Amino acid sequence: ETGVTQSPTHLIKTRGQQVTLRCSSQSGHNTVSWYQQALGQGPQFIFQYYREEENGRGNFPPRFSGLQFPNYSSELNVNALELDDSALYLCASSLIQGREDTQYFGPGTRLTVL
Amino acid sequence: QKEVEQDPGPLSVPEGAIVSLNCTYSNSAFQYFMWYRQYSRKGPELLMYTYSSGNKEDGRFTAQVDKSSKYISLFIRDSQPSDSATYLCAGSMDSSYKLIFGSGTRLLVRP
Repeated sequence: ETGVTQSPTHLIKTRGQQVTLRCSSQSGHNTVSWYQQALGQGPQFIFQYYREEENGRGNFPPRFSGLQFPNYSSELNVNALELDDSALYLCASSLIQGREDTQYFGPGTRLTVL
Repeated sequence: QKEVEQDPGPLSVPEGAIVSLNCTYSNSAFQYFMWYRQYSRKGPELLMYTYSSGNKEDGRFTAQVDKSSKYISLFIRDSQPSDSATYLCAGSMDSSYKLIFGSGTRLLVRP
């Protein structure tokens, strides 16, 4: 198992609500990336945080936002939830230091929007 | 067209068989290629990591990348029922940045 942890494991929200998901990165890692995985699909990149700054973003609307804290843990916030936001949300941590900096995933948070 | 294409399967094989999983990609700028294994209701687990073209072997697993044809393969020797999972291939320009995943291939190894 990787040292990446996520909370909560799963949650149920209704359309229009807001949600915050949390991620603790692997010890020594300084970068956290968030991915959305819809059922039967591969993960899709939402954004990445490096040293508390957003370091790139995928094709997701502004209602998806994030934070990274000095201890390199991270939050993903989603406002105005839509039914299509139902998915497994994964965070992956890595250490940007050289050429081979692989990403290690946490177990994910399963979000259901009703 | 998706940047990384992968046959969704399911692929069903008997225990002990050699399994071949394949992906194609369209982005010539990809330099890094990964294979992740994902069990049901779990996060993806890194299996193999390859930089540029070539082969890489780790135990029963061999990853191949052919950049000239934009083709990625994963071979599993002596497959076991515990190998039953979804296998995700991914490519990226920077291994620590945005990974582009295929949709995954479901593998079932029958005892």
